[in-house]
Order: sequence, then structure tokens, then C-alpha cells
Amino acid sequence: AQSVTQLDSHVSVSEGTPVLLRCNYSSSYSPSLFWYVQHPNKGLQLLLKYTSAATLVKGINGFEAEFKKSETSFHLTKPSAHMSDAAEYFCVVSDAGGTSYGKLTFGQGTILTVHP
Amino acid sequence: DAGVIQSPRHEVTEMGQEVTLRCKPISGHDYLFWYRQTMMRGLELLIYFNNNVPIDDSGMPEDRFSAKMPNASFSTLKIQPSEPRDSAVYFCASTARAGHFYGYTFGSGTRLTVV
Repeated sequence: AQSVTQLDSHVSVSEGTPVLLRCNYSSSYSPSLFWYVQHPNKGLQLLLKYTSAATLVKGINGFEAEFKKSETSFHLTKPSAHMSDAAEYFCVVSDAGGTSYGKLTFGQGTILTVHP
Repeated sequence: DAGVIQSPRHEVTEMGQEVTLRCKPISGHDYLFWYRQTMMRGLELLIYFNNNVPIDDSGMPEDRFSAKMPNASFSTLKIQPSEPRDSAVYFCASTARAGHFYGYTFGSGTRLTVV
């Protein structure tokens, strides 16, 4: 079985300051992990993915995430927030095996607000 | 590539009416997924297809919901009869391989309101 917990439902930062969105996961098999972003009234866009290669993953728009197996975490970071980063972010896990192979399990989402 | 195309973008219907949502996956993608997004429950997988065959429909909430994929380029999700609690955003997604390695490409969604 697989599950995802996003530790913050809302995060608020000032423009130009760092962003940290936290995610913990559980998985019975070697997981793949993803971060998706959803802007208001838009679809879901893939930001980055981890699939058992490098543990530090770089994505679009300056976002990064680090896979830490010992902590079962996959936190999303960005050094400097931009107003256009305001959106909802989803941490997602996919198991490598079992009956859930290939199925994505979504966290509840974190709404990021960026203040001028 | 035009991406995953969903129609309509918005649908408002009266309780009891039949609603049909449509999806065109990316050409060459052999997996197609239907998700529902609500404030209360977040994103839920309803059903997914591989090579046009339904693989797992355990997320379909009730018999009122049905989904078909008659060919590789088209899928429908039907609700009959619709109820106010079906109001949600419905997303279609596709991938070339099982999403474990590649993630999915999502459509823009259909916002369904049942009054």
C-alpha cells in the first residue's frame, strides 16, 4: 500500500524568500515520487519526478526536491519565490509493484501564497 | 502535441440528467486515467484503462458512473442519473508507460455542477 502526507495545507511566503513544501510518503515497494502544481482553474502540471536515480531532483521553474529514504520524505524547495508560484502543489507517489503498480496516490495538497 | 483534451470545460446540469464527459489522450499513450477532484476528498482515481481495456474500476463510486474507451483516441465518463454530490472537477490523464516512471499528463479538467 502507498500513501502520501503533505504536512502543511497552507504555506505563505514573501516574494524573494525561500519556499519549503513538506511531504512524507509510505510505500511497500521502491516508489517513484512526483510533485505536481495546479494553478487556479487549471489542470495539473508535472514539476519534477524521482525514479530511483539521483536523490536530488531538479524540476521546472527553479524547483528542486530531495528524496530521503531514511526519513521517507520528498520535500519541495525553491530558493526564491516568485508571485507566479502561487498555486496548489501535490506530492504524489507511485509504487513499483503490487496491485497498485503505476497508480498515482495524491497528497491532499498544499496551497502556496506569495506576498509582494 | 495538443496534450490531453477534455470536453466540455464546464457543465451545469439538473439533478437526474445524464452527463457525459469526454477525453482524448495524447497519441501513442496506452494508459488513460479518470480522476475526480473535490475539496473534501482531494484527487481520487475513478478508473484506468490500458490499451482500451478497463484495468481497475474500484474507484468508481456507484453504478451511476460508467466509463468506456472504444478506441485508443477517445474515452467517455458517464453519470446517469446525476446528483448534486457529483459536483466536482473531473480530470483525464494519459501516459505512455505505467505512470510509475513517467508520471501522467493531465487534461485541463471538466468542472461539473449538478443543481
